[in-house]
Amino acid sequence: EVQLVESGGGLVQPGGSLRLSCAASGFTFSSYTMNWVRQAPGKGLEWVSYIRSSGSTIYYADSVKGRFTISRDNAKNSLYLQMNSLRAEDTAVYYCAREGGGVAGTCFDYWGQGTLVTVSS
Amino acid sequence: DIQMTQSPSTLSASVGDRVTITCRASQSISSWLAWYQQKPGKAPKLLIYKASSLESGVPSRFSGSGSGTEFTLTISSLQPDDFATYYCQQYNSFWTFGQGTKVEIK
Repeated sequence: EVQLVESGGGLVQPGGSLRLSCAASGFTFSSYTMNWVRQAPGKGLEWVSYIRSSGSTIYYADSVKGRFTISRDNAKNSLYLQMNSLRAEDTAVYYCAREGGGVAGTCFDYWGQGTLVTVSS
Repeated sequence: DIQMTQSPSTLSASVGDRVTITCRASQSISSWLAWYQQKPGKAPKLLIYKASSLESGVPSRFSGSGSGTEFTLTISSLQPDDFATYYCQQYNSFWTFGQGTKVEIK
């Protein structure tokens, strides 16, 4: 069974940093592209970042570019999001999501349960 | 950037109703469109990919259609478990979601 479990969320002051983790199991993690998607309280979904299976290609949404860094450790079946210079508007539930690939293309077939990041003084 | 616009934002319906949600892209995305269902406090769940392909395990009452810039999600006979928020997502160029459609009990 595919499982994605996020951790690392919490309360942080504006300007602070936080590192999110996503532990993957039930599939060959090193073969799959991964993403982070966030959802502000009561709002819709926003794609945040993408990392190819090998880590060779990375993309960011404009809203986080230069502040967030995505990475992965295929030996540990883990995905990470380093978030620096956090702002109030970064407050959201952060989901890791697996790209389905194959005939489905690059949509997201499995999601974690999410971890809440609250940026507030 | 490609913008995605869903309508309606909220839909009131009864069990057994046929429900249709529309999603429009600001430019052509071919068939690179997915639909997700999200319930309160839960992660989104993939229902439809490539505009009209049903994800494994998803009930056949869900169907998707469209290409280019106009797409629809149809629930043929609404069931109690279907009351949720639905999002479209384009993945032709990066990834953008619609603002969501909440399907509520009439």
